[in-house]
Amino acid sequence: AQTVTQSQPEMSVQEAETVTLSCTYDTSESDYYLFWYKQPPSRQMILVIRQEAYKQQNATENRFSVNFQKAAKSFSLKISDSQLGDAAMYFCAYRRPFGGMRFGAGTRLTVKP
Amino acid sequence: GAVVSQHPSWVICKSGTSVKIECRSLDFQATTMFWYRQFPKQSLMLMATSNEGSKATYEQGVEKDKFLINHASLTLSTLTVTSAHPEDSSFYICSASSSSEQFFGPGTRLTVL
Repeated sequence: AQTVTQSQPEMSVQEAETVTLSCTYDTSESDYYLFWYKQPPSRQMILVIRQEAYKQQNATENRFSVNFQKAAKSFSLKISDSQLGDAAMYFCAYRRPFGGMRFGAGTRLTVKP
Repeated sequence: GAVVSQHPSWVICKSGTSVKIECRSLDFQATTMFWYRQFPKQSLMLMATSNEGSKATYEQGVEKDKFLINHASLTLSTLTVTSAHPEDSSFYICSASSSSEQFFGPGTRLTVL
């Protein structure tokens, strides 16, 4: 079974600073996708970034980037120039092609002004 | 991006009654839909996968007779919580997939009295 582990229940960052959220996963599959989702108080799941396992290049979306280490099964999210609006729960997720998502326990990010 | 809706957004029911939650893909055809539940301050847990026109596949530990899923068309899947009890109170989220992308609905908060 695939499992996703987020070892940081809470993280805090100063506005305009950089923060890294950790995620590890376990799978025996070779083809899969990894995601970071943001869940604000509204509870709507918002896709932050996705990574295809077959791509060696780390995904980047504006201030958000990942460090994907396939051999180590690690998938961390770096948020640069943190903004107050970045405060939310962040979930790391894994899925096989056409499969459902397996989520980590989540990391609550607080951004201090 | 694609839009997925859920109805109702919030429902309160009495113990022993059944509740139906709808998940619709508004601007695309979803061959597969997924249902998740999220308890307060916890992560999302995959409950089942439904493919249009076929029986749903349930995750281990999810009672298929309690959580009835119907995916009668390419734009609609329904989750019926039968004989609901207070422990079924949760946030239920669907996602719809057309190919390699999945899009989440806004969720339905179920409270069973």
